[in-house]
Amino acid sequence: EVQLLESGGGLVQPGGSLRLSCAASGFTFNSYAMSWVRQAPGKGLEWVSAISGRGGSTYYADSVKGRFTISRDKSKNTLYLQMSRLRAEDTALYYCAKEAYSSGYYYLDYWGQGTLVTVSS
Amino acid sequence: AIQLTQSPSSLSASVGDRVTITCRASQGISSALAWYQQKPGKAPKLLIYDASSLESGVPSRFSGSGSGTDFTLTISSLQPEDFATYYCQQFTNYPHTFGPGTKVDIK
Repeated sequence: EVQLLESGGGLVQPGGSLRLSCAASGFTFNSYAMSWVRQAPGKGLEWVSAISGRGGSTYYADSVKGRFTISRDKSKNTLYLQMSRLRAEDTALYYCAKEAYSSGYYYLDYWGQGTLVTVSS
Repeated sequence: AIQLTQSPSSLSASVGDRVTITCRASQGISSALAWYQQKPGKAPKLLIYDASSLESGVPSRFSGSGSGTDFTLTISSLQPEDFATYYCQQFTNYPHTFGPGTKVDIK
């Protein structure tokens, strides 16, 4: 059974940093790309970042580029999101999700339950 | 970045109704589109991928169609457990943008 368990969220002041983790199990971790998706309170889903299966390629939304860094550790089956220079608008529930691939296209087939990040003074 | 719009933004429907939600892309995305269902306090759940492929375990009353720029999600006979918010997401280019969502509630 695929499981994704996020952790690391919390309250942080504007300008601060936080590292989110997503512990994965139930699949061959380094065979699949992974993504972070966030959802501000009462708002829709926003794609944040993705990383290829082996970690060689990373992608970011313009809203976080230069401030967030996605990475993965194959030995720990864990995905990370290092967030720095945090802003109030980064306040959201952050989900990690596993990417699947079919017929030439990707999609997110499993999602964690999310970890809440609150940026406030 | 590719923009996705959804219509309507919300709708009220009754159990047994046929419901159709539209997702439009700002440029052609072939069939690189997925649909998700999200209930309050829960993570999104994959319904449809590759625009029209039903995810395993998802009831057959859900179906997807379209390619290029125009896509639809159809619920053939709305059930009580289908009241939720539905999102489309494109996978042609990064960023893998989401649509703004369509909330389906009880009439």
